[in-house]
This record gives sequence, C-alpha cells and structure tokens, in this order.
Amino acid sequence: KAGVTQTPRYLIKTRGQQVTLSCSPISGHRSVSWYQQTPGQGLQFLFEYFSETQRNKGNFPGRFSGRQFSNSRSEMNVSTLELGDSALYLCASSSGLAGRWDTQYFGPGTRLTVL
Amino acid sequence: AQSVTQPDIHITVSEGASLELRCNYSYGATPYLFWYVQSPGQGLQLLLKYFSGDTLVQGIKGFEAEFKRSQSSFNLRKPSVHWSDAAEYFCAVALWDAGNMLTFGGGTRLMVKP
Repeated sequence: KAGVTQTPRYLIKTRGQQVTLSCSPISGHRSVSWYQQTPGQGLQFLFEYFSETQRNKGNFPGRFSGRQFSNSRSEMNVSTLELGDSALYLCASSSGLAGRWDTQYFGPGTRLTVL
Repeated sequence: AQSVTQPDIHITVSEGASLELRCNYSYGATPYLFWYVQSPGQGLQLLLKYFSGDTLVQGIKGFEAEFKRSQSSFNLRKPSVHWSDAAEYFCAVALWDAGNMLTFGGGTRLMVKP
C-alpha cells in the first residue's frame, strides 16, 4: 500500500508570491491534515479536511488555505508569502471516521524556503 | 492552558545504554497520547499510542511508553539504544472531541555515541 505522497518536496519562492502544495493520502483515507514545522514554533496544526470539507482549523492567518478534492487529494495554498512561512509542511492522512481516533500517517513533507 | 512539554531538548546516550525521553501534558481530561519519530529529511513515523487500558504500551523498534495519570506523563523508553535510533522524537496528544488534531511537544533530539 503506497504511503502519503507530497509534491513538490522542495520549493523556493520569494516574498509576496503564492504557493500551492499537494498531498495524496493513502488509498481509502478520507481525512487529510496539514502541519507546519519550524525550528522556532515546532509542529503546529494548520487544518484538516474530510470529504472535501474543512473539519478543523488551527490558529493561522487567512493567507493559509486549503481544499480537498473528491478523490481525497488535498492542496494547501499560502498567499503573499512572508519570510516566516519558510518551513517544512507535513501532510497526514487517516480514515477520518467519526467517533474514533485513527492513526495519522505522515508524508515526507514539502520544504518551503521563502527568500 | 493546554500544553505538551518535552523537558529535554537534546539527549546523548551511548549505544547499548538505556533511554528514557520525558513527556508531560497539561489537559483537563486524559488525552490520547502518541510518540512519533522523525529522521532527518523525513516525515513523522508513529512509534506507539495510548488510548486507554494497560498503561504500559509497546511500540515498534523496541520502544515502550508508560502512562502515569498522577504525573500527567507519558515517558518513552528503550532498554538498549542502537545507533540507528538517532533522530528527533515528538510526544503528541489529541483530545477525543477535537477531531484529527495533534498537539505536539517541542521534540527531543537524540544523539547516540558509538
């Protein structure tokens, strides 16, 4: 069974630009969560999508957005990039079934560098 | 405020020595508890999890963790460390009513001396 895949693996952008990151969950998984990892703030939850709907949201500005497609693939978008957005963005997938906790499987991440 | 604390930022142990990584949480109710490991340039791999029941949990790669409610702790242990265990370890918690949202500790970087 293929794991969680994230593309691209590395990305360099300049301030003010926007960026889109992609995540393909494990086959059959309907929940996709996104996390930002930085040396200063550690691992922080961005948002979770389930069946194309945002089900949970962390404490990030509106420049961070996401969506999920009918095949459960998810994208996250960051507009008007700032230097502080440089981070490793991790995607995690799980079955997402209501009323129970399922193990989250993480992808390798996308390393975003903002210059 | 709800939080997860890993008091040790760095730990160095000799290969073959035992290991204990500390994790404390501050939540009103007992959360779900997890330990993840991250190797350089990699994503996170789940080592073990605690939901309920037996407070000593066995995981992959020879790791175990013990939940102690009275101390709000979930410490990770391994009796004999291998050089390949060098990585960063994260404790994480989730609340049953907070959806698929993990809150992570700051991480402990483990170095293994030959």
